[in-house]
Amino acid sequence: DAKTTQPPSMDCAEGRAANLPCNHSTISGNEYVYWYRQIHSQGPQYIIHGLKNNETNEMASLIITEDRKSSTLILPHATLRDTAVYYCIVRVAGTGGFKTIFGAGTRLFVKA
Amino acid sequence: GAGVSQSPSNKVTEKGKDVELRCDPISGHTALYWYRQSLGQGLEFLIYFQGNSAPDKSGLPSDRFSAERTGGSVSTLTIQRTQQEDSAVYLCASSLGGNRGNQPQHFGDGTRLSIL
Repeated sequence: DAKTTQPPSMDCAEGRAANLPCNHSTISGNEYVYWYRQIHSQGPQYIIHGLKNNETNEMASLIITEDRKSSTLILPHATLRDTAVYYCIVRVAGTGGFKTIFGAGTRLFVKA
Repeated sequence: GAGVSQSPSNKVTEKGKDVELRCDPISGHTALYWYRQSLGQGLEFLIYFQGNSAPDKSGLPSDRFSAERTGGSVSTLTIQRTQQEDSAVYLCASSLGGNRGNQPQHFGDGTRLSIL
């Protein structure tokens, strides 16, 4: 079972920041939070990951709450090409290492 | 640089036939993963390789499904006696090092399998 909860869909105006929330209240101390996105008919694309500190790269920022029970992915200036399904994932320790369990994700619609 | 490559990109076959799907990971990536994605659904984990061995095959849905990896590189996923419920997109991903928590996986664009 996925360890994350995300809203099924969100809208964002082009040029504005898109803030995608994720709840992971049962996260363990050594489990990382990852974000991927999937555009129709393509494989998931890695965006960013973090453990407890906020992270930023050329694509997005990841804000993790101090208790690590939730996080927010921020796309600072959303474009139409950012319309996709966004997956928040906690990699779960399992047989042979960490298992990646994908939930249903958030479908982000960026509108002109 | 080259990403994860999967072939074929599309495969249509008749029920009962065997199919073989191929994945070429990113060069130097020792960990390799197979997932399945049914229409409109999220990704379902199938199997994980570290080098040529598979420490976690817990997601393989039945004994009709098998996978191997040779030379620590290319992997093939084989489905025997295909059924219509096997229709899905089969995705492969690879990552550096072992299956540790802080190694991002990089995905190919998948093989779309349709069973008639």
